[in-house]
Amino acid sequence: DVKVTQSSRYLVKRTGEKVFLECVQDMDHENMFWYRQDPGLGLRLIYFSYDVKMKEKGDIPEGYSVSREKKERFSLILESASTNQTSMYLCASSSDFSGRGTDTQYFGPGTRLTVL
Amino acid sequence: QQQVKQSPQSLIVQKGGISIINCAYENTAFDYFPWYQQFPGKGPALLIAIRPDVSEKKEGRFTISFNKSAKQFSLHIMDSQPGDSATYFCAASISDNQGGKLIFGQGTELSVKP
Repeated sequence: DVKVTQSSRYLVKRTGEKVFLECVQDMDHENMFWYRQDPGLGLRLIYFSYDVKMKEKGDIPEGYSVSREKKERFSLILESASTNQTSMYLCASSSDFSGRGTDTQYFGPGTRLTVL
Repeated sequence: QQQVKQSPQSLIVQKGGISIINCAYENTAFDYFPWYQQFPGKGPALLIAIRPDVSEKKEGRFTISFNKSAKQFSLHIMDSQPGDSATYFCAASISDNQGGKLIFGQGTELSVKP
């Protein structure tokens, strides 16, 4: 079974803190993604990576950065956390087996981040 | 152009009834349309997907209907069960996009009453 793990289920941070969210997948997937999930807004893509050290901005990258030094690990960084970044953060990974972008995305259980 | 609009936001159905969730898109370059199902406390998981070369795809009680001319697609859950209570997301992508980026709808919270 594909497993995507996220470092924390719940996290509480203070405004202005630097926050690291870690994601690890065990299936040697090429592609990894970070989303945030908010009620009524669905899943919005923050950043994704299709190879080690490669990253691309998604739809809402402002206030976030990412790091992918190893194939299995993709980190989301909030440089200076703000209250409007309180949300559920979901990591996902997919292979590039089909070569056509239709491979299933496998999601982790999410990290609920609260910024006070 | 990149949006996928999903409705309704929430849905209550009696056990045994039909649940219908609708999605609409603008970008005609989209050519892959998956649905994901999310149970409370879990990440979303792929439920069923369709390509626009067919108008319907059925897997058990779950059916996707696709209307290319109207740029709409929908999920039908037949004989809905309490265990189907979850949040459902439609999505769309351009299959030759590097990285397999998906555009998700806003989500529908389905509650099936016994």
